[in-house]
Amino acid sequence: EAQVTQNPRYLITVTGKKLTVTCSQNMNHEYMSWYRQDPGLGLRQIYYSMNVEVTDKGDVPEGYKVSRKEKRNFPLILESPSPNQTSLYFCASSLRNGRGYEQYFGPGTRLTVT
Amino acid sequence: GEDVEQSLFLSVREGDSSVINCTYTDSSSTYLYWYKQEPGAGLQLLTYIFSNMDMKQDQRLTVLLNKKDKHLSLRIADTQTGDSAIYFCAESNSNTGKLIFGQGTTLQVKP
Repeated sequence: EAQVTQNPRYLITVTGKKLTVTCSQNMNHEYMSWYRQDPGLGLRQIYYSMNVEVTDKGDVPEGYKVSRKEKRNFPLILESPSPNQTSLYFCASSLRNGRGYEQYFGPGTRLTVT
Repeated sequence: GEDVEQSLFLSVREGDSSVINCTYTDSSSTYLYWYKQEPGAGLQLLTYIFSNMDMKQDQRLTVLLNKKDKHLSLRIADTQTGDSAIYFCAESNSNTGKLIFGQGTTLQVKP
């Protein structure tokens, strides 16, 4: 089954404790992206990757890191999480970066930073 | 800059039509999208429309695009309780293909 998977689905952590949210897709997609969803703000892009070893900042990259060592995986790293990073995070992928290519979304990771 | 605006909430009765509205600012957007998010789930692409179209119909869904006013709407005919969800309007950034989302409209369907 074609899908985007994220782990963990739920995470509660404390300020400053490094964490990684994994994202994996099995559709051989070139383009992958991370978004965060906050009430009243919709989804905002954190980082995106057009292909292996190619990543770039989205609209809200501060406090986050990403890597794209393999085509299928695009982990999101929070080196020192803070409470303002409490949010619902979505990973997405599409065949290409460009207009008209459908983005497939993972189920989301709900992160709480205390 | 890029901006997409939606009303936050819509309540309808089962069997009625729902109309969710959206305005956008990037006149160079080529594709405009409607996504659906059910509780506890990710986003699912419902439909999209090319900017050179005025209307697109897909079963119970009708998308209308007014390019002059940069206004997009999604009409759901014969709304069912299973249509209760958050609906996001989105446009593609003309240079990067990035999706720019509105705040989402929560659709409540009353039996």
